Amino acid sequence: DVKVTQSSRYLVKRTGEKVFLECVQDMDHENMFWYRQDPGLGLRLIYFSYDVKMKEKGDIPEGYSVSREKKERFSLILESASTNQTSMYLCASSPPKAEQYFGPGTRLTVT
Amino acid sequence: EDQVTQSPEALRLQEGESSSLNCSYTVSGLRGLFWYRQDPGKGPEFLFTLYSAGEEKEKERLKATLTKKESFLHITAPKPEDSATYLCAVGVIQGAQKLVFGQGTRLTINP
Repeated sequence: DVKVTQSSRYLVKRTGEKVFLECVQDMDHENMFWYRQDPGLGLRLIYFSYDVKMKEKGDIPEGYSVSREKKERFSLILESASTNQTSMYLCASSPPKAEQYFGPGTRLTVT
Repeated sequence: EDQVTQSPEALRLQEGESSSLNCSYTVSGLRGLFWYRQDPGKGPEFLFTLYSAGEEKEKERLKATLTKKESFLHITAPKPEDSATYLCAVGVIQGAQKLVFGQGTRLTINP
């Protein structure tokens, strides 16, 4: 079974804090993705990576950065959290040109 | 611009009452049509991938079909445990393959 794990299920941070969300997959997948999901807006792609140390901007990269130092781990960084970054964050991984497998999500609240 | 539209937004059925969910898409180069199920507060769970018009896939009470412009998720004799949001996505190539998601259909099955 494919397993994608995320470091926290729930997280509460203050405005201006630096926030790290971590994602680990155990299936040796090349591709990894970060999405956010908001009511009425659906799933939106923030960043993705198709190889170690490689990253590509998704549809809404502003205010975020990512790091992929090892194949199994993909981190999302909020340099200075803002209230409009309160959301459900979902990580996914996939082999090349195939379906994505999602983690359980991290519900982040920025106050 | 790649676009996915799902209808209806929400659907309420009685247990045993069969129906279909629609996913229409416009995409420059389709690299697969993906269906996911998402329960509240959880990450999406992969159901099916369809690659070519005329293709069909089945899993328990669910059957997915694909034409050149849309996909249907047919649910036969549903049970309350089929209640969830069903997401449709198309695969597009941008470096790696990424998914463009629709807004989802929220399905409720009443006992």
